[in-house]
Amino acid sequence: DAGITQSPRHKVTETGTPVTLRCHQTENHRYMYWYRQDPGHGLRLIHYSYGVKDTDKGEVSDGYSVSRSKTEDFLLTLESATSSQTSVYFCAISPAVATDTQYFGPGTRLTVL
Amino acid sequence: AQSVTQLDSQVPVFEEAPVELRCNYSSSVSVYLFWYVQYPNQGLQLLLKYLSGSTLVKGINGFEAEFNKSQTSFHLRKPSVHISDTAEYFCAVTKDTGRRALTFGSGTRLQVQP
Repeated sequence: DAGITQSPRHKVTETGTPVTLRCHQTENHRYMYWYRQDPGHGLRLIHYSYGVKDTDKGEVSDGYSVSRSKTEDFLLTLESATSSQTSVYFCAISPAVATDTQYFGPGTRLTVL
Repeated sequence: AQSVTQLDSQVPVFEEAPVELRCNYSSSVSVYLFWYVQYPNQGLQLLLKYLSGSTLVKGINGFEAEFNKSQTSFHLRKPSVHISDTAEYFCAVTKDTGRRALTFGSGTRLQVQP
């Protein structure tokens, strides 16, 4: 299994509070991604990173920010959590090119009350 | 932009029966195609991928998929399913240029019954 961990694995928080999810990899892969999974929508891209300090928005980026100060860590922050951000969040990594497999972490289940 | 349609949200099937999970895509450029599987309470793992060459692609656990460019389809098949194949299956596409993230379909839940 690819070395990807996500923390926390479960979190319950209240509307309006900030939340940070962490993705950590031991594979030294260049690309890292944050997706959210919701019933009937599959997985949708929130943000991705193509190198340290290089990030870009995905299709559902509103309300989220990211940071990557080290190759191995990719942080996803909800500045002020809302109930619509209740979801399962997956981090993925890939070496470099589009033909490469993306490897997924175990996911973080976030509930915003 | 590309998009992916998985035509069936749920597919019930009896053990040892064949199964086909359908996937259609749309894109104005060439794409690479993937099938991922998600077992309950787990992350996604790759079943197979089509990059180029032979249109019939074989993957893990006895699954295969056929790329049909004229019909823009990439259907997943298995000749005989097992209870352990019960999972959610996602079709996905990506382009070679620009953003290399995957665009996923909404998923098909395969329920294998004894």
